[in-house]
Amino acid sequence: SQQGEEDPQALSIQEGENATMNCSYKTSINNLQWYRQNSGRGLVHLILIRSNEREKHSGRLRVTLDTSKKSSSLLITASRAADTASYFCATDAQGGSEKLVFGKGTKLTVNP
Amino acid sequence: KAGVTQTPRYLIKTRGQQVTLSCSPISGHRSVSWYQQTPGQGLQFLFEYFSETQRNKGNFPGRFSGRQFSNSRSEMNVSTLELGDSALYLCASSLRGWSPGAAGYGYTFGSGTRLTVV
Repeated sequence: SQQGEEDPQALSIQEGENATMNCSYKTSINNLQWYRQNSGRGLVHLILIRSNEREKHSGRLRVTLDTSKKSSSLLITASRAADTASYFCATDAQGGSEKLVFGKGTKLTVNP
Repeated sequence: KAGVTQTPRYLIKTRGQQVTLSCSPISGHRSVSWYQQTPGQGLQFLFEYFSETQRNKGNFPGRFSGRQFSNSRSEMNVSTLELGDSALYLCASSLRGWSPGAAGYGYTFGSGTRLTVV
């Protein structure tokens, strides 16, 4: 079963607004990663947050991690039409499994 | 620097045939992983290779196999294709190695190979 589960499944906002996506997971992790996928293309790595970190920023992206609740959120500020894509969280589980477990993703639409 | 290169981009095959997909990782990356993406099952891990050794395998039938060459390039093969094998196959490379410090490395994905089985 999928480790990460994103919420909401779909999100539609206007340009300039903020978009928040949430992710929940089940087991202990080394890190949690967020990826973006434009329609039918490859995944683009956005940000990685380690299990001992609580918040991380990269440009207009802000990621939080709450290991006690096994949850993470991705905030995109001042969204642009070009941010329209699907966003996936992926967990890198402890134990050296060397694989990512992805959620189903959040489809974000930013309307101009 | 060049990204992860997957070939071919698109492929149409008939049920029962076999297919080989290729992935060239970023120079210096020794870890190569493969994922299958379908609308129903989402992104699922197939296998991961490091220094020509398969370190982990996902829950896929034996028809799915792979290998890695000494230059870190990887191939995956699917034999006796079924309609349900139609998917986007993604390859990812990483600096991850055997050390615990590898926990800080993410993955770089290729654009994928879109396989359609008819």
